[in-house]
Amino acid sequence: KAGVTQTPRYLIKTRGQQVTLSCSPISGHRSVSWYQQTPGQGLQFLFEYFSETQRNKGNFPGRFSGRQFSNSRSEMNVSTLELGDSALYLCASSLDRGEDEQYFGPGTRLTVT
Amino acid sequence: ELKVEQNPLFLSMQEGKNYTIYCNYSTTSDRLYWYRQDPGKSLESLFVLLSNGAVKQEGRLMASLDTKARLSTLHITAAVHDLSATYFCAVAGFGNEKLTFGTGTRLTIIP
Repeated sequence: KAGVTQTPRYLIKTRGQQVTLSCSPISGHRSVSWYQQTPGQGLQFLFEYFSETQRNKGNFPGRFSGRQFSNSRSEMNVSTLELGDSALYLCASSLDRGEDEQYFGPGTRLTVT
Repeated sequence: ELKVEQNPLFLSMQEGKNYTIYCNYSTTSDRLYWYRQDPGKSLESLFVLLSNGAVKQEGRLMASLDTKARLSTLHITAAVHDLSATYFCAVAGFGNEKLTFGTGTRLTIIP
């Protein structure tokens, strides 16, 4: 069974640009969550999608947005990039039965210069 | 707001020794997770703990949960070098998938 996949794995962008990251969950998983990991702030929840609807949102500015498609694949977008957006962005998927493990993808490492 | 405290932040221990990592959380939750992260890598799921008194073991690692004390522990028995990594606990919001992570414990096993 294939795991969670994320593309691209590495990305370098310039301040002010925008970026789109993609996550394909494990087959059959309907919940997709996004996290940002930085050395200073640790792992922080961005948002969670289920059946194409955002169910939870973390405390991030509106520059961070996401969506989920009918096949459960999810994208997150960051507009007007800032240096502080440099981070490892992790996607997690689960079956969403309330007792399930959340499986993390390999992450996308974003560097903003 | 759910807060998760993990300690110690850094742990350097000799091979063969035992130690425990602690994870305290501030509000009621129905799930607690332990993850391992190697440098530059993603998170690897170790344990999911669902109920008070739950205990799970895998190899030299054992995790337990006390929901009344809002405390989970990750116990390492007879540490080996391969266990060197950063360990995170994460607590799920009650009834949802949002995880709040602890700060992580960077474990270094010295031969």
